[in-house]
Amino acid sequence: QKEVEQDPGPLSVPEGAIVSLNCTYSNSAFQYFMWYRQYSRKGPELLMYTYSSGNKEDGRFTAQVDKSSKYISLFIRDSQPSDSATYLCAMSAGNAGNMLTFGGGTRLMVKP
Amino acid sequence: DTEVTQTPKHLVMGMTNKKSLKCEQHMGHRAMYWYKQKAKKPPELMFVYSYEKLSINESVPSRFSPECPNSSLLNLHLHALQPEDSALYLCASSHPGGIAEETQYFGPGTRLLVL
Repeated sequence: QKEVEQDPGPLSVPEGAIVSLNCTYSNSAFQYFMWYRQYSRKGPELLMYTYSSGNKEDGRFTAQVDKSSKYISLFIRDSQPSDSATYLCAMSAGNAGNMLTFGGGTRLMVKP
Repeated sequence: DTEVTQTPKHLVMGMTNKKSLKCEQHMGHRAMYWYKQKAKKPPELMFVYSYEKLSINESVPSRFSPECPNSSLLNLHLHALQPEDSALYLCASSHPGGIAEETQYFGPGTRLLVL
């Protein structure tokens, strides 16, 4: 079993839909949670990061962390074709070395 | 400015060539990373530099040789690569201390093809 599980998709939604992307994890030591967006043949771009449990909102994006369930989510409201990309969750225990553990990524397609 | 730059964008090399990848950041980050990413896979950590010292080497073959000349620069020297080393090579950096320590910023990557 992988330490971080993420549905690879592809997830196809119409423009304007609310998108929910999720990751589950097994390591209870993870404290820092990040979402990256990666367009084809580009480097990952940091979208959101949160510490411990709770919600964080930034524009159309909301990140949720439920440490009791070992489950994190990224919601995208009013999705746009430009949101079409692969979304990677990543997490860290905050120990020395700042090592991130990535999910496998979910490919999202928003159709006009 | 949360920018990490990488050069070159693309690189084609033969198995006997020697080449170098370059990464630069001016965010005052003191941790820098090299990752390798294959198609449809997440990035795999190769090396971590913390305060210009190599702190993590994820059992990477010696044909990859990292170098951190100063706090803003990170190089990856390549020699005698194999075709299976073809991938997107990503550089990342992060702040020291606090939650920001865990926030890694990635460059656009160098797409490497080994013939």
